[in-house]
Amino acid sequence: AQSVTQLGSHVSVSEGALVLLRCNYSSSVPPYLFWYVQYPNQGLQLLLKYTTGATLVKGINGFEAEFKKSETSFHLTKPSAHMSDAAEYFCAVSAALYGGATNKLIFGTGTLLAVQP
Amino acid sequence: NAGVTQTPKFQVLKTGQSMTLQCAQDMNHNSMYWYRQDPGMGLRLIYYSASEGTTDKGEVPNGYNVSRLNKREFSLRLESAAPSQTSVYFCASSEDEGLLAKNIQYFGAGTRLSVL
Repeated sequence: AQSVTQLGSHVSVSEGALVLLRCNYSSSVPPYLFWYVQYPNQGLQLLLKYTTGATLVKGINGFEAEFKKSETSFHLTKPSAHMSDAAEYFCAVSAALYGGATNKLIFGTGTLLAVQP
Repeated sequence: NAGVTQTPKFQVLKTGQSMTLQCAQDMNHNSMYWYRQDPGMGLRLIYYSASEGTTDKGEVPNGYNVSRLNKREFSLRLESAAPSQTSVYFCASSEDEGLLAKNIQYFGAGTRLSVL
């Protein structure tokens, strides 16, 4: 079974400050890990994903995340927050699939990021 | 490029009424999904369809039915709406050909449903 825990349902940072959103996962098989962002009244958009290979993954809008197997973590970071980063962020996990099997995602409960001027 | 299109965007129902949420994707994706989003609970999978003609239950299927009409369309039906079904519903699709680079889900803008 797989699960995702996002620590902190609300995070507030100042514009220009470091953004750190935490995600820990549980998986009995090699995981695929994703971060999605949801802007107000919109659907989810993929920020970045980890499947295999390099453990530091870069995504859109300056975000990156590092897969740490020993810590079962996939925290999302951005060096300098912009006002436009205010949104809800979801971490998700799925099993590494082969042969065309369906990619079911398990989502965390989300972290709402506020950026203060 | 429309991606995933959901209709309607908003709906208000009375308890016991029925309705169908529509979803269509133009990316030729094999798999489609229905989620509900509730505050503090993230997204929970209701039903999914791995290919045309197949559907399977997700985490919270009770009170819902689905139809994979063709490769493009996947509808969600509430036969007798209940206040507990007040939520935001998202449809998603993914290519799922077993290639690592393509295991990404693309989401529609959502349907906001209130059941009174």
